[in-house]
Amino acid sequence: AQSVTQPDIHITVSEGASLELRCNYSYGATPYLFWYVQSPGQGLQLLLKYFSGDTLVQGIKGFEAEFKRSQSSFNLRKPSVHWSDAAEYFCASYTGGFKTIFGAGTRLFVKA
Amino acid sequence: GAGVSQSPSNKVTEKGKDVELRCDPISGHTALYWYRQSLGQGLEFLIYFQGNSAPDKSGLPSDRFSAERTGGSVSTLTIQRTQQEDSAVYLCASSSWTGGTDTQYFGPGTRLTVL
Repeated sequence: AQSVTQPDIHITVSEGASLELRCNYSYGATPYLFWYVQSPGQGLQLLLKYFSGDTLVQGIKGFEAEFKRSQSSFNLRKPSVHWSDAAEYFCASYTGGFKTIFGAGTRLFVKA
Repeated sequence: GAGVSQSPSNKVTEKGKDVELRCDPISGHTALYWYRQSLGQGLEFLIYFQGNSAPDKSGLPSDRFSAERTGGSVSTLTIQRTQQEDSAVYLCASSSWTGGTDTQYFGPGTRLTVL
């Protein structure tokens, strides 16, 4: 069965430090991949998505993600974290039909 | 509208009661999705609408759950005889259908608490 795994339940980084959130997918072909962010009390907002082409994808708010087929990964990165980035981040995969499969999420804490 | 809206934002109910959750999608969006987000879990797909029809109901947890969409717009998720395990945040999303790879726009969710 197709799945999306986010190995880290929560991560704490210092403001100004770099960030990498991990995401692994399980699917034979190349899936369509997404990263969403959910701030407290808010719905999910799309950060970026990958369908094909350049494996390094730029998104909003200074985020980027790199698709690595050999590792079945789609990790999210940001070079310098701001306090306002504290939120929950979800990796998702669309593999056909009507379903998008979401990972369990990684909660990001930012310390001053 | 400016975005997807959901009502109520919070709902507390007693076990065994029925509840209705409402979703107003972005105007013109033909696709509408319902998800359930339980504590510490990812988003669990419940049902998808294309227009007023639901091609995929496979995610509905039990026959106590049902959903409808009228006029290609507003959708209602109904949970009958609620149980404590139904407590969760119910999220609605809409999109301009382009084959499933379209961006889904999410509402703020309805937090359901079953006592």
